[in-house]
Amino acid sequence: EPEVTQTPSHQVTQMGQEVILRCVPISNHLYFYWYRQILGQKVEFLVSFYNNEISEKSEIFDDQFSVERPDGSNFTLKIRSTKLEDSAMYFCASSSGGKLFFGSGTQLSVL
Amino acid sequence: DAKTTQPPSMDCAEGRAANLPCNHSTISGNEYVYWYRQIHSQGPQYIIHGLKNNETNEMASLIITEDRKSSTLILPHATLRDTAVYYCIVRLRSNDYKLSFGAGTTVTVRA
Repeated sequence: EPEVTQTPSHQVTQMGQEVILRCVPISNHLYFYWYRQILGQKVEFLVSFYNNEISEKSEIFDDQFSVERPDGSNFTLKIRSTKLEDSAMYFCASSSGGKLFFGSGTQLSVL
Repeated sequence: DAKTTQPPSMDCAEGRAANLPCNHSTISGNEYVYWYRQIHSQGPQYIIHGLKNNETNEMASLIITEDRKSSTLILPHATLRDTAVYYCIVRLRSNDYKLSFGAGTTVTVRA
């Protein structure tokens, strides 16, 4: 069964460093998303992406964040200058037929 | 999106049916009821969705009341692997629409 894959599964970085989280959505899906979940809290929407542009973003998704689909398969989330509060599990998702399919996540730890 | 209300937690015996309630009294006529679950910090997983008719798939059944103000997700024979947080989400059916996750119901299946 097709699935959304995310790499790396764990990422440790120093505060102020840039990180890129990578995702390979399901191949025939056209809509892509990033969500995050801080430990013990709700799953929060960050951004949705369609046709090579952002279609919606939340208040969390400020200028430190960017998304890109650099080729036909990858979908990336970049955090330019990480803060301690960016530590969270980041989930990528893609959608078809109204259903979202999530990856297993990247655990980002900012030290 | 219409707001949903779910009990914070419930227990279920292994092998028995688990009935998870959800109230969505402000649901509009074109909004669907979706259920997702999240097993211990994995990515959320789609379970089932419906508009007004009852629905069944290999994972669960969804019973929606005639007035559509509430619904019940039924896991017919709960196993230990069904221990998870279950989210009831009301939204328009669209390829591009973010999900808004609440706190959900933490279901613990006990042997």
